[in-house]
Amino acid sequence: GAVVSQHPSRVICKSGTSVKIECRSLDFQATTMFWYRQFPKQSLMLMATSNEGSKATYEQGVEKDKFLINHASLTLSTLTVTSAHPEDSSFYICSARDLGTGSNPGELFFGEGSRLTVL
Amino acid sequence: GENVEQHPSTLSVQEGDSAVIKCTYSDSASNYFPWYKQELGKGPQLIIDIRSNVGEKKDQRIAVTLNKTAKHFSLHITETQPEDSAVYFCAASTVANFGNEKLTFGTGTRLTIIP
Repeated sequence: GAVVSQHPSRVICKSGTSVKIECRSLDFQATTMFWYRQFPKQSLMLMATSNEGSKATYEQGVEKDKFLINHASLTLSTLTVTSAHPEDSSFYICSARDLGTGSNPGELFFGEGSRLTVL
Repeated sequence: GENVEQHPSTLSVQEGDSAVIKCTYSDSASNYFPWYKQELGKGPQLIIDIRSNVGEKKDQRIAVTLNKTAKHFSLHITETQPEDSAVYFCAASTVANFGNEKLTFGTGTRLTIIP
């Protein structure tokens, strides 16, 4: 089946530094990818919708200058957490939809997640 | 916007028994309802989904039912096994804009199967 890969799976950084997380669709093209944040024992909260070749659409309350999203190709979207602080520590998960063919939307595949710890 | 509530938050079931998780949604325009299983430290995996033109769908030990009038849908797992232990999330979305619809997730249910 289709696979979405995230890298790195775990990252620890110092407060004030920036961290980049990659999301790749391995065997399909994805014009749209989604970025979620999940705090411990909580649900997934959508941060932004990443559109290939255009600006990302951010959810209310998500700072676009802090969470930079780039979707430069049909198989790669990146999330950069700029000037990270301890409160940004979380599990970041991306998803991508395989549009496939036919009239029904294709399945949404999730990456394995990236655990960010900011010291 | 859409609001999805999920119950119970934790559920312990004896191996071999059935487990039922329920979700309600608020937006009557929602028409796609997937269920995800998330194991510790991993991303969610789709286990079954249902669209609004169907009332019930079954895949081996897993079934989902949908009541559009009442705006609730449920996940049923029969003959539970220890490997079913995980956190389960329901979600809802409006498939109006192909490929761009946004999922709203429920709060999750931690299912524990007791051997």
